[in-house]
Amino acid sequence: DAGVIQSPRHEVTEMGQEVTLRCKPISGHDYLFWYRQTMMRGLELLIYFNNNVPIDDSGMPEDRFSAKMPNASFSTLKIQPSEPRDSAVYFCASSPGGARWGNSPLHFGNGTRLTVT
Amino acid sequence: KQEVTQIPAALSVPEGENLVLNCSFTDSAIYNLQWFRQDPGKGLTSLLLIQSSQREQTSGRLNASLDKSSGRSTLYIAASQPGDSATYLCAARGNQFYFGTGTSLTVIP
Repeated sequence: DAGVIQSPRHEVTEMGQEVTLRCKPISGHDYLFWYRQTMMRGLELLIYFNNNVPIDDSGMPEDRFSAKMPNASFSTLKIQPSEPRDSAVYFCASSPGGARWGNSPLHFGNGTRLTVT
Repeated sequence: KQEVTQIPAALSVPEGENLVLNCSFTDSAIYNLQWFRQDPGKGLTSLLLIQSSQREQTSGRLNASLDKSSGRSTLYIAASQPGDSATYLCAARGNQFYFGTGTSLTVIP
């Protein structure tokens, strides 16, 4: 398996622009997680999906952030409009569910490094 | 809410030394505990996963233990090498994954 695939690897944009981050989870994984990592706050859970349905979005910082999972193989995280304080590394991760929930690891993508100037 | 703490935040040891990284969690109702490694500028790589019914897991020079009753897990690294230098994070799995803030390890040649 190719693992969790994220794109782009790096994104540099100007304040006010729309940013879309993409993620392809591992095939067969029921859960998909979006995290943000900064030096100050560490790893923060933004939102997670189960079978394409958002379960908990309490970590989404503002209405400027939105996430979708239109099918089992694709998810997006959108920031509109972007601000300099959104600069961080955004990770997508996936995990099996069901009977495998308790004994299956979380698999991370390589992340998208976002810089908003 | 589950809280996960890792101590120390940073650790520097000479090559060849055995070391222990600590992870504590407040809610013992977990499905498993997972240890990750993160190299600078990279993603998180899974090292070991201990199910709630298990006490320990081993992989090469790494050994992870779990004591749910006391809310603790340790990662033991034997005969440390400079290539072990990285940040190590633990995560407790409940209805989601709860991460610690990590221990930054430097192994000095």
